[in-house]
Amino acid sequence: LAKTTQPISMDSYEGQEVNITCSHNNIATNDYITWYQQFPSQGPRFIIQGYKTKVTNEVASLFIPADRKSSTLSLPRVSLSDTAVYYCLVGSKAAGNKLTFGGGTRVLVKP
Amino acid sequence: GAVVSQHPSWVICKSGTSVKIECRSLDFQATTMFWYRQFPKQSLMLMATSNEGSKATYEQGVEKDKFLINHASLTLSTLTVTSAHPEDSSFYICSARDRQGRSVDYTFGSGTRLTVV
Repeated sequence: LAKTTQPISMDSYEGQEVNITCSHNNIATNDYITWYQQFPSQGPRFIIQGYKTKVTNEVASLFIPADRKSSTLSLPRVSLSDTAVYYCLVGSKAAGNKLTFGGGTRVLVKP
Repeated sequence: GAVVSQHPSWVICKSGTSVKIECRSLDFQATTMFWYRQFPKQSLMLMATSNEGSKATYEQGVEKDKFLINHASLTLSTLTVTSAHPEDSSFYICSARDRQGRSVDYTFGSGTRLTVV
């Protein structure tokens, strides 16, 4: 499984855009990039997934360059409730594929 | 969307006793479920892969005789922490994916906070 590297923590303010970049230099051809959000004492929650270029949903955007060796999660106009740990994972969609978590990025949104 | 129910959400037990944690996929079938452990301020660590109808596959360093996993049906996997000790106190999380691939990716349970006293 491709290893991922993310910043340990990031601080932001309400209303700002938060961009978290994840490095995955060894990503395989069949691997997708998935981001999860985790609040304290809760299980991770799916945010967004992509393979290449750009993906956007109602909560975030995911930017993936052509070489796919990195990806950037963009959270528009964050609020205090977006304070959480964000995990970047890479892996294939093969049945039973294990999800291995890296360190994650702890995002703190300040008033 | 896909929902995974985990029970109990928290449990306190005495050292030396066993505790069972259940993980259910409510609206989909999952041939494979995963069990994770998470210590405070740390990331999730994969413990084992639970396969329906067969033995679980444990990650290196995880004692299979201590963490018993049973996946008797396509919607239920259980993790039993046997002879629990204070060092087993942690946050245990399960995850599953719709075997028909209807969900985009893995759905996680809400976790179980185990405290061994």
